[in-house]
Amino acid sequence: KQEVTQIPAALSVPEGENLVLNCSFTDSAIYNLQWFRQDPGKGLTSLLLIQSSQREQTSGRLNASLDKSSGRSTLYIAASQPGDSATYLCAVTSGTYKYIFGTGTRLKVLA
Amino acid sequence: EAQVTQNPRYLITVTGKKLTVTCSQNMNHEYMSWYRQDPGLGLRQIYYSMNVEVTDKGDVPEGYKVSRKEKRNFPLILESPSPNQTSLYFCASSQLTGGWGNQPQHFGDGTRLSIL
Repeated sequence: KQEVTQIPAALSVPEGENLVLNCSFTDSAIYNLQWFRQDPGKGLTSLLLIQSSQREQTSGRLNASLDKSSGRSTLYIAASQPGDSATYLCAVTSGTYKYIFGTGTRLKVLA
Repeated sequence: EAQVTQNPRYLITVTGKKLTVTCSQNMNHEYMSWYRQDPGLGLRQIYYSMNVEVTDKGDVPEGYKVSRKEKRNFPLILESPSPNQTSLYFCASSQLTGGWGNQPQHFGDGTRLSIL
């Protein structure tokens, strides 16, 4: 059964720092991996989607990489800002048409 | 504006009183899904639908029902709610263009249910 883990559960960094969030999954037979952002009291916003044939995706200050063979993905945030404070979740899809989510990393960027 | 709309946003009710949480999307998406989010457990998928009249169980379907009579709507029904269904619920939708999983999911703002 697919399991998705995100470490650390919480992270606090000073403004301007570059940081890496981690996502690992146990079954490498995924269709894609998606990173989301969740603000308090809000739904999830899709940040980046990496298809299984891709190695990385970039959007602005965000870069997500995927290594299927090792079951890992990283979300790199460059030059972090207080507005980046949120919970970041990753999710994988498989042939069963289901999404499996990690429990998230709660990020706080200090001004 | 492209969006997924859930109603109600908040509901406090009692055990055994049937309730329905509505979900509607205006993006003509084929795929729709319901999740519940609980502290320490993350988001878990309840039910999903690939298209009209096509639904299937997610990882935690017990105590829930869904229907997909129209493409835009995907209501979640709790026929006899119990306290362990107190949670934050999210509806989401995505296109199936280009194959399964190739399009991002769009989420509603959530429904906070409290079952007393």
